[in-house]
Amino acid sequence: DAGITQSPRHKVTETGTPVTLRCHQTENHRYMYWYRQDPGHGLRLIHYSYGVKDTDKGEVSDGYSVSRSKTEDFLLTLESATSSQTSVYFCAISESEREATDTQYFGPGTRLTVL
Amino acid sequence: DQQVKQNSPSLSVQEGRISILNCDYTNSMFDYFLWYKKYPAEGPTFLISISSIKDKNEDGRFTVFLNKSAKHLSLHIVPSQPGDSAVYFCAAIDTGGFKTIFGAGTRLFVKA
Repeated sequence: DAGITQSPRHKVTETGTPVTLRCHQTENHRYMYWYRQDPGHGLRLIHYSYGVKDTDKGEVSDGYSVSRSKTEDFLLTLESATSSQTSVYFCAISESEREATDTQYFGPGTRLTVL
Repeated sequence: DQQVKQNSPSLSVQEGRISILNCDYTNSMFDYFLWYKKYPAEGPTFLISISSIKDKNEDGRFTVFLNKSAKHLSLHIVPSQPGDSAVYFCAAIDTGGFKTIFGAGTRLFVKA
């Protein structure tokens, strides 16, 4: 199994509060991703990173920001959480330069509830 | 508008029989396809993939078929086992771009 951990695994917060989710990898993979999983939508890409301090938006990036100051850590921040951001969040990593066909390895997920 | 569609939210199959999971896509630029499997409280794991230059790829009990003209792919599991009970996500990539687009998933129940 790829060494990917996510913290926290569960979180309940209130609307308007800031939330930061952490993804940590021990594989030294270049690419890291944040997805959210919602019923009827599958997995949707929020943001991704192709190197330290190199990030870009995915298809559902509004309300989210990311940072990657080290190869092993990729942080997802909700500056002001809303109920629509209640979801399960997955971090993923992939290795090669040919990222378009490279398999992604997923972390165990973080279940976030915004009340 | 979903570019990758899995129209069956769930499927129930008897142990030992064939499971067929279907996936349709709309973007003709997709040229690489993958299936991921997900158990509860775990992240998805890669199962099998296929390039658009092929129409079939087989790995043990799992076979993926691609019909480019119909923009359709399917995952066959033979024989199905209770441990195959999981959610299966179809995913597609435009290799000229970057992002992987996932379908909504199909929950497979394999009854013993």
